[in-house]
Order: sequence, then structure tokens, then C-alpha cells
Amino acid sequence: KNQVEQSPQSLIILEGKNCTLQCNYTVSPFSNLRWYKQDTGRGPVSLTIMTFSENTKSNGRYTATLDADTKQSSLHITASQLSDSASYICVVSARGDDKIIFGKGTRLHILP
Amino acid sequence: DTGVSQNPRHKITKRGQNVTFRCDPISEHNRLYWYRQTLGQGPEFLTYFQNEAQLEKSRLLSDRFSAERPKGSFSTLEIQRTEQGDSAMYLCASSFQTGPSSYNEQFFGPGTRLTVL
Repeated sequence: KNQVEQSPQSLIILEGKNCTLQCNYTVSPFSNLRWYKQDTGRGPVSLTIMTFSENTKSNGRYTATLDADTKQSSLHITASQLSDSASYICVVSARGDDKIIFGKGTRLHILP
Repeated sequence: DTGVSQNPRHKITKRGQNVTFRCDPISEHNRLYWYRQTLGQGPEFLTYFQNEAQLEKSRLLSDRFSAERPKGSFSTLEIQRTEQGDSAMYLCASSFQTGPSSYNEQFFGPGTRLTVL
């Protein structure tokens, strides 16, 4: 069964600190993996996308990594800001399937 | 604003009433998706359209739910005889599908928050 598991479920860090969010998936055959940011009460917004051949991609202070062999991805946030407080959702697509599989997300709280 | 829009943003209704939500996708996008999201969970797929054709429906979409995209542009999602368990955020997303690849990004609307009393 295609699944996406994220950890931790929630995370609290101080402003300015770094953090790393984890995503494990069992989706096969793998097509691509996206990290989305979802602010409270809003729709998700894509941060990064990675295909099988890519193992790292950056978007400003966000850096995503992908290990297609172990089926793991991480999202690293550098020098966190209060506006980073949100849910971060890992989303995986299977090749040949029109649907995408969502993780439950990690709820990140940045404290001043 | 050329993004995906949804109306209303919030809906409060009494159990047993019918509700209808509207989604306006990005204009050139041929694919439109509906998702449901409850607190602390990721979005769950409900159904999607390619132009006006409804291609797939999830088991989550009971017979009280119906979605349409009559002209291949905007879409409506109707819930009949609402139940308290229907309370959730209903998200719409659209994408431009150029082939069989699932690479195409889905752009999400802000969602409609439904509360059934």
C-alpha cells in the first residue's frame, strides 16, 4: 500500500534555530516528491519538488533532500523565522498514477 | 488574482441541510481536484476531473456527495443531508496535465471550512 509517513508530528523551536523534518514513503513506482507548506486556514503551497535523480534542492532557507534507495526525504529549515510556523506536508507521486499521496504533516511552531 | 479561488471560505450549517461549494481553477488548467482535510491530517483525495469528465472518485465520496464541472472550468461540490462528520476543510486544486506524467504541480485554493452543527 502506498503510504507517506512524517515525523515528528509537531515541533517547537526558537526563532533563529535550524530544524529538520522527516518523510518516509513506500510509494512505488516513484515519480516525484514535493514538500508543501500550509499556513493555518490556507491551502498548501509547494516549496520544492524532486524526482528520482535529484538528491537535494533548495528554495531560500528551505533545503530538501531525497534518498530514493531508502525512500526517505528531509526538509531542513535554516535560521527559522516566525513566519515559518505552519504545517509542512510531504507529498509523493507514483509514476503512471494521477493521484498524489499526502503525509499527515509536521506542525512547526516557531517561538520568539 | 490568477490563483485557485474557492467560495465560500467558511460555511456553518445544521445537520441535515445541503451545502454547495464552488471552486474556480487557474484558467488554463485542465485538471481539477477536490480534497478533504480534517484537523491534524493531510488532505484526503475525494475526486478529480479532466476538463468536464469526472475520472475518479474516492471511497470517501459517499452517495451524499456529488461533484460537477459542467463546462470544464469551475466546479461545484455538493453535500446532501450533512452530518457532523462532514465537518472539515474542503480543498480544491488544479493543474495543467500535459501527458501521463504525475510531475505536474497541483495548485491549491484557500479551502472552504465546513462546520456542521
